[in-house]
Amino acid sequence: QSVLIQPPSASGTPGQRVTISCSGSSSYIGTDYVYWYQQLPGAAPKLLIYRNDQRPSGVPDRFSGSKSGTSASLAISGLRSEDEADYYCATRDDSLSSWVFGGGTKLTVL
Amino acid sequence: QVQLVESGGGVVQPGSSLRLACAGSGFSFRNFAMYWVRQAPGKGLEWLAVISSDGNNIYYADSVTGRFFISRDNSKNTLYLQMSSPRLEDTAVYYCARALGGSTENFIVYWGQGTLVTVSS
Repeated sequence: QSVLIQPPSASGTPGQRVTISCSGSSSYIGTDYVYWYQQLPGAAPKLLIYRNDQRPSGVPDRFSGSKSGTSASLAISGLRSEDEADYYCATRDDSLSSWVFGGGTKLTVL
Repeated sequence: QVQLVESGGGVVQPGSSLRLACAGSGFSFRNFAMYWVRQAPGKGLEWLAVISSDGNNIYYADSVTGRFFISRDNSKNTLYLQMSSPRLEDTAVYYCARALGGSTENFIVYWGQGTLVTVSS
């Protein structure tokens, strides 16, 4: 069980808006940025959101991130079939100089 | 473009040893911190270790401390993971990844395709 808690699954229909949560603690998320990674089936992970709400170049603006206190969220609007993937949040523990990933959320596009 | 190519995976017996390598290209390897992350079959991502660009700062996850050792050879643009006394639960795809910058505080930006390690007797 990761210290970053994500729902194991989420789903939506094409065009819908879906939100994936990531819940931490004062040690995790509370004091550092949150990052989101997308892992398509059979592929390596890919950076989706960095520093809570920043998108790398090439990531569509349908993807957005936010953080409040010890929780963070990834929102996907205008859902597409190609968004079907596993999504992981991640953050760093400054006191331990360690990194941690959430357990992952499997997104299904119905 | 940034390329990270892992090698060295395979079947290894419990209690033996194995060294993974990751060759970086398309960027100035010596300027970036590097990571190892693994993913057990059907499971999520697990951070294992990070090394700074100059190799002077290294941090490990509790699960591998004292058993796995991360190192780098900047003259060869290569990252390593020495796995000692592997356990059955170390069976996973091992990913090498590159950070945004040189310190271990930087997040992962790029990932390799991974190499599968199977620990089995």
